[in-house]
Amino acid sequence: AQRVTQPEKLLSVFKGAPVELKCNYSYSGSPELFWYVQYSRQRLQLLLRHISRESIKGFTADLNKGETSFHLKKPFAQVEDSAMYYCALNNNAGNMLTFGGGTRLMVKP
Amino acid sequence: DAGVIQSPRHEVTEMGQEVTLRCKPISGHNSLFWYRQTMMRGLELLIYFNNNVPIDDSGMPEDRFSAKMPNASFSTLKIQPSEPRDSAVYFCASTPSGQGFSPLHFGNGTRLTVT
Repeated sequence: AQRVTQPEKLLSVFKGAPVELKCNYSYSGSPELFWYVQYSRQRLQLLLRHISRESIKGFTADLNKGETSFHLKKPFAQVEDSAMYYCALNNNAGNMLTFGGGTRLMVKP
Repeated sequence: DAGVIQSPRHEVTEMGQEVTLRCKPISGHNSLFWYRQTMMRGLELLIYFNNNVPIDDSGMPEDRFSAKMPNASFSTLKIQPSEPRDSAVYFCASTPSGQGFSPLHFGNGTRLTVT
């Protein structure tokens, strides 16, 4: 069975500090992983996917198959990064995503 | 494009009442998903339709929950009878399938409170 775990429900940092939102997964096949973000009063939307290996809004995430992790990182957090972040796994059966429990990031000025 | 449209935005009902949540996917998207969001469990997939056919409903909590997609532009999630533990935000999402990768497009959600 596939599972996505985000161990932190809340992460609070000051502006300019580095931030790392943890995500671990369990899946027997070759996973495709994503980070989705929900800003206040906005819809949940895709932030980035591991296949594209790109940086979005300064965020990056590297898939580590050895550690089964897909942590989301940003070297200098901004206040506008405050949001709910969900890690998600696609088991390649259509577009069915399994989401983690979510981490609320609060960036204080 | 208005995106995925869900109604109502908020629903408050008493225990035992029937609740119907509605979703209009983005035109041309043939995959539709219902998710439930709670503080304790995060986002849980309830059911997934492809071309109006339910593909996976293993996430539906119990028989009190049912979902339909009578046509490509409309889906409902019904809870009967509702219970306080059903209180959550229910999201609908859609995506085109069979065209390579496309992210899920979420609606604004329906916040359900069962008293």
